Amino acid sequence: AQKITQTQPGMFVQEKEAVTLDCTYDTSDPSYGLFWYKQPSSGEMIFLIYQGSYDQQNATEGRYSLNFQKARKSANLVISASQLGDSAMYFCAMRGANSGYALNFGKGTSLLVTP
Amino acid sequence: DTAVSQTPKYLVTQMGNDKSIKCEQNLGHDTMYWYKQDSKKFLKIMFSYNNKELIINETVPNRFSPKSPDKAHLNLHINSLELGDSAVYFCASSLTLAGGLSETQYFGPGTRLLVL
Repeated sequence: AQKITQTQPGMFVQEKEAVTLDCTYDTSDPSYGLFWYKQPSSGEMIFLIYQGSYDQQNATEGRYSLNFQKARKSANLVISASQLGDSAMYFCAMRGANSGYALNFGKGTSLLVTP
Repeated sequence: DTAVSQTPKYLVTQMGNDKSIKCEQNLGHDTMYWYKQDSKKFLKIMFSYNNKELIINETVPNRFSPKSPDKAHLNLHINSLELGDSAVYFCASSLTLAGGLSETQYFGPGTRLLVL
């Protein structure tokens, strides 16, 4: 079985600051993929970043980076230089054989960026 | 061009009615999914199809029946709608089912279903 935990229901960050959104996971899959999606108030699901369980380096995509600590089973999302448009729900998700290769989501973190 | 499209975007209906949500992807993907997002924003897989074959059928009431007429389409039919079915339903697709864990799932815009 797989479990994704996001312990921060809501976060605030000031514009231009960096913010870390926490995600921990548990799985018996030997290999798995970890994803972060953004859901703005308009409702669409936007893919942000991917990290493979065997990747040696942490993933980065523009202002997004993933702080992957396999031994701790954590895959935190770091957003640098926050912008007002970053205000949204952020979901951590995992994919592997145990989930039938569907995405297994955490409960999400609501991020509010303030001026 | 919209990669994954869903119709309708909004659906308001009475309890007991039957309704369908349609999904189409023009990405040439083999695998399609239905997810349900409840009022607390929690997203959960309902079904997945790979090349028109049902792969995942989570513990969803049998009032929900997916149908995949071809690889590019995955429709969701719901019989005897109940108040608890009110949610946002997302269709998604990926290139293959298990070809690579890195394969991104692309989501449709969602269908907001309200059962009165």
